[in-house]
Amino acid sequence: DAGVIQSPRHEVTEMGQEVTLRCKPISGHNSLFWYRQTMMRGLELLIYFNNNVPIDDSGMPEDRFSAKMPNASFSTLKIQPSEPRDSAVYFCACQSKGSTNEKLFFGSGTQLSVL
Amino acid sequence: GNSVTQMEGPVTLSEEAFLTINCTYTATGYPSLFWYVQYPGEGLQLLLKATKADDKGSNKGFEATYRKETTSFHLEKGSVQVSDSAVYFCALGGYNKLIFGAGTRLAVHP
Repeated sequence: DAGVIQSPRHEVTEMGQEVTLRCKPISGHNSLFWYRQTMMRGLELLIYFNNNVPIDDSGMPEDRFSAKMPNASFSTLKIQPSEPRDSAVYFCACQSKGSTNEKLFFGSGTQLSVL
Repeated sequence: GNSVTQMEGPVTLSEEAFLTINCTYTATGYPSLFWYVQYPGEGLQLLLKATKADDKGSNKGFEATYRKETTSFHLEKGSVQVSDSAVYFCALGGYNKLIFGAGTRLAVHP
């Protein structure tokens, strides 16, 4: 298994541009999470899905952020318009079916820099 | 609400030194507790876990014991190696999601 695949690995963009981050979870894992990591705030949960349905998006910072999971094998996190304070590492993680407290599998992250 | 507090880093040690990274938590009920490790340029990966009071999780020489009376889950290793240099996250398991501490950076030098 290739694990959780995130793309791009690095993204540099200018303020005001739209940014789309992509995630392919492990096959059969039915919970998917988007986290943001910064030096100031550590690791923050933005949103998570169960069976492709958004369950809790209370961590999404603003309306500029949106996430979708059109099917079990793909999710996107979009920022429009982007701002310099959105610069962070964004992680996608998944969890296997039927578990509530079992481990999360993380992707390698997308390093986003908004200039 | 539920929360996790970790000791601030960085922690700098010489190879073969003893390691302790403190973690305390606040929670309702009886959550599972976890330690995750993040190596440079990678995502987090599970290091160990404990699901109930007095359980000891262990992996790769690391250990942590779920202490309900002190609401703690301190990470320990008897002899660290340079390859243990990473950021360590304590986490608390809520329904369908984990709450992470801020992370503690460990640097081990030869």
